[in-house]
Amino acid sequence: DTGVSQDPRHKITKRGQNVTFRCDPISEHNRLYWYRQTLGQGPEFLTYFQNEAQLEKSRLLSDRFSAERPKGSFSTLEIQRTEQGDSAMYLCASSLALTTHEQYFGPGTRLTVT
Amino acid sequence: ILNVEQSPQSLHVQEGDSTNFTCSFPSSNFYALHWYRWETAKSPEALFVMTLNGDEKKKGRISATLNTKEGYSYLYIKGSQPEDSATYLCASPGSGTSYGKLTFGQGTILTVHP
Repeated sequence: DTGVSQDPRHKITKRGQNVTFRCDPISEHNRLYWYRQTLGQGPEFLTYFQNEAQLEKSRLLSDRFSAERPKGSFSTLEIQRTEQGDSAMYLCASSLALTTHEQYFGPGTRLTVT
Repeated sequence: ILNVEQSPQSLHVQEGDSTNFTCSFPSSNFYALHWYRWETAKSPEALFVMTLNGDEKKKGRISATLNTKEGYSYLYIKGSQPEDSATYLCASPGSGTSYGKLTFGQGTILTVHP
């Protein structure tokens, strides 16, 4: 399967713990995006990379959140000192930086903070 | 702030019914509009990327139209089947230096009853 993959698919953690998610994009895609979706809402943009450079971060992304994309391949999203409000579906997508920016999504990581 | 709105929020139809949903978006600085289908426990799947005013695209029983002057797009499903049950999302990739990051509507949840 050459689609976008995410790991883990589900994560339950206690408040205050740190969690890290991984995204493996389609191999030739130079752009990688992170989105977060909460119940009843559409996905909201968090951050994106072009190759290894993080080009934009949303105001939604507090300083407890950090993302990396070393070597421009896979990416990790870390949340430190998780809060109940962090419970959401975290989606990763990748694309080529072309005119239409059609994005291909992974299945998401469902985070539950208890 | 880019505002993308979808209606209705949810829809229940019987198998065989035809249905349609609306996505509205800012008509100024338009570049493209994306439609996605998101089935439970799966990755959001790209349906269409629409770029030209008056564009109509079709994929099987699903089609979409675009009016960039008035800022709306319609998604039609002809002869709905239970497997069409999903959340349908539209998204704008923005413009200018932020081009590419998607701003999503809240989605339309379609349930097709056998």
